[in-house]
Amino acid sequence: DQQVKQNSPSLSVQEGRISILNCDYTNSMFDYFLWYKKYPAEGPTFLISISSIKDKNEDGRFTVFLNKSAKHLSLHIVPSQPGDSAVYFCAASENSGNTPLVFGKGTRLSVIA
Amino acid sequence: GAVVSQHPSRVICKSGTSVKIECRSLDFQATTMFWYRQFPKQSLMLMATSNEGSKATYEQGVEKDKFLINHASLTLSTLTVTSAHPEDSSFYICSALLGNTGELFFGEGSRLTVL
Repeated sequence: DQQVKQNSPSLSVQEGRISILNCDYTNSMFDYFLWYKKYPAEGPTFLISISSIKDKNEDGRFTVFLNKSAKHLSLHIVPSQPGDSAVYFCAASENSGNTPLVFGKGTRLSVIA
Repeated sequence: GAVVSQHPSRVICKSGTSVKIECRSLDFQATTMFWYRQFPKQSLMLMATSNEGSKATYEQGVEKDKFLINHASLTLSTLTVTSAHPEDSSFYICSALLGNTGELFFGEGSRLTVL
């Protein structure tokens, strides 16, 4: 059973608008969450993370929100740019990152100029 | 859905020995696989890109003679940690790229502990 789910395989957003990528998890022991960005034929690169002691972490145009009660996190990109077009993976770990990361299947974001 | 399996999931070895970790794509062929190292409380560090039938491409700072990668078939890539030392203890995670779709599937990770 998937512990980390990204239910939207794809998302299209117009340039300049907000992109919201969602991620749900089932394991209540997860306390450390990350988002990765992946371009075609490349490995994923780290984007932003959040610990369960927080409910929001912001880095430039990227903000991650964590709702522990709903076991849900989201990545907001504002404003979206064409270069943001990529596949975004959500990942989670237990014990403050001391267990292997569990990944979702990814959401392909297309930012249309 | 596509599955990527790593073996072993846990391994404990003595300092100075070599350890091999396998990454298999169970129901698809993967010409490209990636190997990562996960440090505690940190994100993944990409170690190398493994291409079937050719030499792996290592990221800067990763010792290619220490971390040997072999991608001998379209469903199997192996990472061998040679002359392991306690500082090599870590999680090692692989991922496999599905054809030209760009979809990436991750293994469950292998925990290496070097005593």
